[in-house]
Amino acid sequence: GENVEQHPSTLSVQEGDSAVIKCTYSDSASNYFPWYKQELGKRPQLIIDIRSNVGEKKDQRIAVTLNKTAKHFSLHITETQPEDSAVYFCAASINYKLSFGAGTTVTVRA
Amino acid sequence: EAGVVQSPRYKIIEKKQPVAFWCNPISGHNTLYWYLQNLGQGPELLIRYENEEAVDDSQLPKDRFSAERLKGVDSTLKIQPAELGDSAVYLCASSSEGTGLRNEQFFGPGTRLTVL
Repeated sequence: GENVEQHPSTLSVQEGDSAVIKCTYSDSASNYFPWYKQELGKRPQLIIDIRSNVGEKKDQRIAVTLNKTAKHFSLHITETQPEDSAVYFCAASINYKLSFGAGTTVTVRA
Repeated sequence: EAGVVQSPRYKIIEKKQPVAFWCNPISGHNTLYWYLQNLGQGPELLIRYENEEAVDDSQLPKDRFSAERLKGVDSTLKIQPAELGDSAVYLCASSSEGTGLRNEQFFGPGTRLTVL
């Protein structure tokens, strides 16, 4: 089955700086790559996603890049704010089955 | 639009007892998922339903776990008997599949199970 690895496991950044989270996947058949944000005690919520036929996607301060050849994708958050503090999960999907990474705890220091 | 609803939000039981979790997906979503989330980990799929049919239950420990979605809407996940290692958050998610649509899954708030 699909195996998704996510790094780093924790990330502390100064407010206003950028944060980058990287994920790799094992199955080249994966065709959909969402990113979820989960605040403490709350449900995971989709923040951005990308399909395998697209290399990059941006939504305001958030961007995701995908390298199909290398089988890795990354989340970029620019101009970080305290409300960006949360756990972020990447996932890879084959036929609607999501395999999640272990998560990155992001802390934005004021 | 109402989101995915789960109940109860918290459950504490003693080992060997049965427990059941309930999920009401977003209206019109034909696909429903149950996930297990251990502390500090990402969600892991237990079972996926398309309407009332379980199309992927390969990760469901069938010796003690069971699930049903009788009318293709609400779903129940049951554990009998519960073990200490079952302590986790059980998440339900739903999506509306279709050609050209995003595969976005909407998650419920989860049920936090503690087995003593």
